[in-house]
Amino acid sequence: EAAVTQSPRNKVAVTGGKVTLSCNQTNNHNNMYWYRQDTGHGLRLIHYSYGAGSTEKGDIPDGYKASRPSQENFSLILELATPSQTSVYFCASGASANTEVFFGKGTRLTVV
Amino acid sequence: AQSVTQPDARVTVSEGASLQLRCKYSYSGTPYLFWYVQYPRQGLQLLLKYYSGDPVVQGVNGFEAEFIKSNSSFHLRKASVHWSDSAVYFCAVIEDSNYQLIWGSGTKLIIKP
Repeated sequence: EAAVTQSPRNKVAVTGGKVTLSCNQTNNHNNMYWYRQDTGHGLRLIHYSYGAGSTEKGDIPDGYKASRPSQENFSLILELATPSQTSVYFCASGASANTEVFFGKGTRLTVV
Repeated sequence: AQSVTQPDARVTVSEGASLQLRCKYSYSGTPYLFWYVQYPRQGLQLLLKYYSGDPVVQGVNGFEAEFIKSNSSFHLRKASVHWSDSAVYFCAVIEDSNYQLIWGSGTKLIIKP
């Protein structure tokens, strides 16, 4: 079973502060993804990566940066957090572009 | 842009009854098709997938889905639901042209005792 671990699981941040969400996968998957999930919007893709050193913009990248320093790790960075970024964030990984993805348990971020 | 439609935001079914959750996609090529389930405060988990071959695919916990190309559909079915099936179900499609993963909006399944 693919293992994707997100940290922290819950986070409260102040407006204007910097937030880093971390994701680690132990299955040597090439592709990794960051989504946010909001009621009424389903899953929306923020950033993704094809491998170490690569990051690509998804459908809603504004206000977010991503970093993929290694095959295993993929971070999502909010340089200046805003209340509109309050959401549940999911990291996922997949072996390739046409295979299923495996999700972490999510990070609940509240920006006050 | 291609899309995945799950027309029912909520479905309520009595325990022991049969279930069908609908999914339609708009893509003229050959898609890779998936159903995922999300339990409360959890990530999504794969239920089943279709790549090619037999259009009826079996998944975990008695779920199955049928790919009907002529109807661009991939509906999820279960013969007899259990209270533990209460969750949100997502349909997803990968296009073989650009390998973009597209998600439906999800269907919340409520099981009545």
